[in-house]
Amino acid sequence: AQKITQTQPGMFVQEKEAVTLDCTYDTSDQSYGLFWYKQPSSGEMIFLIYQGSYDEQNATEGRYSLNFQKARKSANLVISASQLGDSAMYFCAMRPSFTGANSKLTFGKGITLSVRP
Amino acid sequence: KAGVTQTPRYLIKTRGQQVTLSCSPISGHRSVSWYQQTPGQGLQFLFEYFSETQRNKGNFPGRFSGRQFSNSRSEMNVSTLELGDSALYLCASRVRGGGQETQYFGPGTRLLVL
Repeated sequence: AQKITQTQPGMFVQEKEAVTLDCTYDTSDQSYGLFWYKQPSSGEMIFLIYQGSYDEQNATEGRYSLNFQKARKSANLVISASQLGDSAMYFCAMRPSFTGANSKLTFGKGITLSVRP
Repeated sequence: KAGVTQTPRYLIKTRGQQVTLSCSPISGHRSVSWYQQTPGQGLQFLFEYFSETQRNKGNFPGRFSGRQFSNSRSEMNVSTLELGDSALYLCASRVRGGGQETQYFGPGTRLLVL
């Protein structure tokens, strides 16, 4: 079984500063995919970034980067130059064996990020 | 390309009724997954459909069912509604390519059961 752990209850960051949101995972699969999503108060889940377990380089998408440490089983999201619009709930998720047919995502409990002006 | 669309966006039902939610994936995406989000349980996988076939199912009672049509649109049905079915229901369509995968979510349907 797969498990995602997000233990930070709530994070605050000053506008224009960088922030790291923590995510650790547990799986017995050799290949898997890791995702980060942003969920504003409207409810929509917005895809931010993807990291495959065999990717040698950390994924980056604009202001988002994923600090992937496979041996530690961590996949932390780094948001650079925070903006007020970044205030939202952030979810880390995992998909087992991305070469297989099972595309079920297992989600963590989420982290609330508040950006202060 | 249009994103994932879900209808209706909001729904109020009473206990014992049934409800049908609809999801249209991104054009060309054949995989549609459904998730239930509640404050207590978080995000939980309901089921996944691919080319009109259910491929995976989560741990939900048989009151929860779904189907997918030939145009990849999917519907989810909940019969005999219970208060605990009040939740945000999200659907996602999946695309894979070049070793990358993305699952895009729709805006969700907020269901309130009274």
